[in-house]
Amino acid sequence: NAGVTQTPKFQVLKTGQSMTLQCAQDMNHEYMSWYRQDPGMGLRLIHYSVGAGITDQGEVPNGYNVSRSTTEDFPLRLLSAAPSQTSVYFCASSSFGGKRTEAFFGQGTRLTVV
Amino acid sequence: GESVGLHLPTLSVQEGDNSIINCAYSNSASDYFIWYKQESGKGPQFIIDIRSNMDKRQGQRVTVLLNKTVKHLSLQIAATQPGDSAVYFCAEIPGGVYKLSFGAGTTVTVRA
Repeated sequence: NAGVTQTPKFQVLKTGQSMTLQCAQDMNHEYMSWYRQDPGMGLRLIHYSVGAGITDQGEVPNGYNVSRSTTEDFPLRLLSAAPSQTSVYFCASSSFGGKRTEAFFGQGTRLTVV
Repeated sequence: GESVGLHLPTLSVQEGDNSIINCAYSNSASDYFIWYKQESGKGPQFIIDIRSNMDKRQGQRVTVLLNKTVKHLSLQIAATQPGDSAVYFCAEIPGGVYKLSFGAGTTVTVRA
C-alpha cells in the first residue's frame, strides 16, 4: 500500500513549456485534489475531483488543467508554464466512506519555472 | 472573504514543555476543524480533528480546543519532543463538502 504517489519530485521548466504532474493513489479514494504551497501562504486548492469523470475548480485554477479518467489517477497539466507557477505541488486523496477530514498527501513536486 | 488563519508564524518551545498553537477562523458554517503537521520535505499529515458541535477533543499527546464564540481553534501538544518540530496548519471543511481550506501555518521549533 503506497498511499499517494507523486512524480516527478523535482522539475525545472522554461517559460512556455508544458508538462504533466502525475498523481496516483492505491486506497480506492473517491476524492482527490491538487494544492500548491507557496511561502507564507499555506496550501491553496487548484482543482479537485469527487470521482472518475468529475472535476471542478478550486481557489487558484488558472493555468492548470486536470482530468480523472480512473479512480486511481489525477494528473495536473500546466499548459504554458509561467514563473508565477514556481511552487511546491501536493496531491491529496480522501475517502467518502471514511473520515473526510483525513486527507492523505503525496510527497510533493517542487517545480521551478525559469 | 472567509478564511482560516493562524495567529503566529513561528513558535519556539523548550523540549519537554507544552506547546500551544492558535488559529482564528471566520467561517461559522464549517462542519469540521482539523490540524495537520508538515515535516520538512514531506506532505501534510493529519493530526486530529474536531466537529463543530464539540469544544474539546483529545488524542495522543495532543488536544484540540474549539471556541465558537470567538472563532478560535488551538492545538496543545504535551511534553513537546524534537520530533514535533514541523509546520502546523489548521484547516476547515465547510458543511457538506470535502474541500479543505488551510491557514498559513505555524513553524514550531523545539529547543533541546
